[in-house]
Amino acid sequence: NAGVTQTPKFQVLKTGQSMTLQCAQDMNHEYMSWYRQDPGMGLRLIHYSVGAGITDQGEVPNGYNVSRSTTEDFPLRLLSAAPSQTSVYFCASQRGGRVETQYFGPGTRLLVL
Amino acid sequence: AQKITQTQPGMFVQEKEAVTLDCTYDTSDQSYGLFWYKQPSSGEMIFLIYQGSYDEQNATEGRYSLNFQKARKSANLVISASQLGDSAMYFCAMRERDSGSARQLTFGSGTQLTVLP
Repeated sequence: NAGVTQTPKFQVLKTGQSMTLQCAQDMNHEYMSWYRQDPGMGLRLIHYSVGAGITDQGEVPNGYNVSRSTTEDFPLRLLSAAPSQTSVYFCASQRGGRVETQYFGPGTRLLVL
Repeated sequence: AQKITQTQPGMFVQEKEAVTLDCTYDTSDQSYGLFWYKQPSSGEMIFLIYQGSYDEQNATEGRYSLNFQKARKSANLVISASQLGDSAMYFCAMRERDSGSARQLTFGSGTQLTVLP
């Protein structure tokens, strides 16, 4: 049981490039989320999904796309990278239920030059 | 307005002493949940403790306890008998509308705890 996995661990992009951050979970969790963490700001929600085929925007969705074709996978796409997207990205998952906690992946450090 | 406020950017505590990390929150929902996460220097987010808004008892998990004062909208984390391995960033987070479809967390800005030998 690997939990929540994220790839890559670290990525450097040039402004304007696109890429996909991968996230997968093997716990059959319904809910998955993407957060970004910037210094001094805690984690902010980018997009989330309440099940396969269903996604919605969080607090800071601009510049990012998501899809959820399977329960296990929830990739985050950067359409045209900007320096402001330099951050640490965390994927999280949880079961349904009122008190269920979120389990986080190890994070992806992204640097946009 | 900030939904989660952590007013202590940094805290120091002597090894084996107790420490309280402050967290206040703002919500108009009646049903919500409060979480604390630990982020060591390695970067992963580790769940510590959960308190539901309707829970009558303060949550406890080993050396961690949550001092929940609903009327004051505070959910402070108490770490007893601090250990060097407790040095980390600590985040308070809230989930509103627990029974609805919005199950996402709003995080505070964190408190960096340093345990001194």
